[in-house]
Amino acid sequence: QITLKESGPSLVKPTQTLTLTCTFSGFSLTTSGMGVGWIRQPPGKALEWLALIYWDDEKRYSPSLKNRVTITKDPSKNQVVLTMTNMDPVDTATYYCAHRTAAMVTYGGQGTLVTVSS
Amino acid sequence: DIQMTQSPSTLSASVGDRVTVTCRASQSIGSWVAWYQQMPGKAPKLLIYKASSLQGGVPSRFSGSGSGTEFTLTISSLQPDDFATYYCQQYNSYSMWTFGQGTKVEIK
Repeated sequence: QITLKESGPSLVKPTQTLTLTCTFSGFSLTTSGMGVGWIRQPPGKALEWLALIYWDDEKRYSPSLKNRVTITKDPSKNQVVLTMTNMDPVDTATYYCAHRTAAMVTYGGQGTLVTVSS
Repeated sequence: DIQMTQSPSTLSASVGDRVTVTCRASQSIGSWVAWYQQMPGKAPKLLIYKASSLQGGVPSRFSGSGSGTEFTLTISSLQPDDFATYYCQQYNSYSMWTFGQGTKVEIK
């Protein structure tokens, strides 16, 4: 059974850097074709894709956030970390991580709500 | 960047109705489209992957079709549990992902 759990601060101040961790089980990021991604959803708004990392360390970033976002992996810990710099109140959202296989993308976590406020 | 244009944004329907949601990609993406159902406060739930493959455990009243740039999610007979928001997502291999804007299915 595959599980994903997002963790990180629930409140950050404007201009601070956000660090979120996705801890997963049931698959390995050393397996060919596997990937982990991050998306977010501001309150009452649509889903927005942020970043993606593959088993071979290939990375993809949303063009609108590329200069602010970094994604890394630690397969030994079954973790993927997303950092986002220069946080702003518009970045207030629920952040989800996702599991990408060769065929599909699934979202198994509860998400983590991050509020940006001074 | 690949854009996904989803329509309609809101859909009012009754139990038993046949419902269709459409996504159009700005360029050809083969069959790399998934459809998700999202309930308030919950993570998206995968319904359909690779445009037309039904995820395990998802009722057969859900179906997907299309390839290239036009994709459709159909609910053959709307049930009370189906009132939710639906999103398409393109996830072309080793490319960026993109979501549609969402379709809220409301009770008529």
